[in-house]
Amino acid sequence: DQQVKQNSPSLSVQEGRISILNCDYTNSMFDYFLWYKKYPAEGPTFLISISSIKDKNEDGRFTVFLNKSAKHLSLHIVPSQPGDSAVYFCAADSNAGNMLTFGGGTRLMVKP
Amino acid sequence: EPEVTQTPSHQVTQMGQEVILRCVPISNHLYFYWYRQILGQKVEFLVSFYNNEISEKSEIFDDQFSVERPDGSNFTLKIRSTKLEDSAMYFCASSGHSVQGKVRGYTFGSGTRLTVV
Repeated sequence: DQQVKQNSPSLSVQEGRISILNCDYTNSMFDYFLWYKKYPAEGPTFLISISSIKDKNEDGRFTVFLNKSAKHLSLHIVPSQPGDSAVYFCAADSNAGNMLTFGGGTRLMVKP
Repeated sequence: EPEVTQTPSHQVTQMGQEVILRCVPISNHLYFYWYRQILGQKVEFLVSFYNNEISEKSEIFDDQFSVERPDGSNFTLKIRSTKLEDSAMYFCASSGHSVQGKVRGYTFGSGTRLTVV
């Protein structure tokens, strides 16, 4: 039951360029979406979130876009830096519950 | 910045033994969670806890699992009789942030790697 899906297991980007990480969901009850970054042997670290009443949220180099009709969200990182290299998870929360449903993650590698 | 602290960082146990994973959530948070990630798989929700009781649990959280907040600061996950397939990273999280009456903003700990042999 893959309610949240990240179809790209990995992404490689040159330093300074844009990284675009994608996430699709199927459950229309989801109303809040989050992106987490994870380094090996550490827990997920919150990056940015977006409520379903918005279509864009920006925080510094990170922007999340939400397309509700397509049930798709994306995380843009501009400019990408080598320190951004990590696994990125998108997660979704619904107004019917109090738990996060995670995607499978995308490993981002930013090359110097 | 406030942190969620988990101990131990790595636990090795024999199949059939009981384990207790410990977490100290952020002090003014009210909602507590356990998630796990089996190697190479997704992060999966196990249980949420609020006001000294379980508020939600997943299918994974069967009778072998229990949670407790024994002393107002610690939040524990107990697995009564471990199985090989319980080997995973276990993440504790806490939340206290509310948006329009709905809890948001989860902070995760660094995890406990449980290895069942």
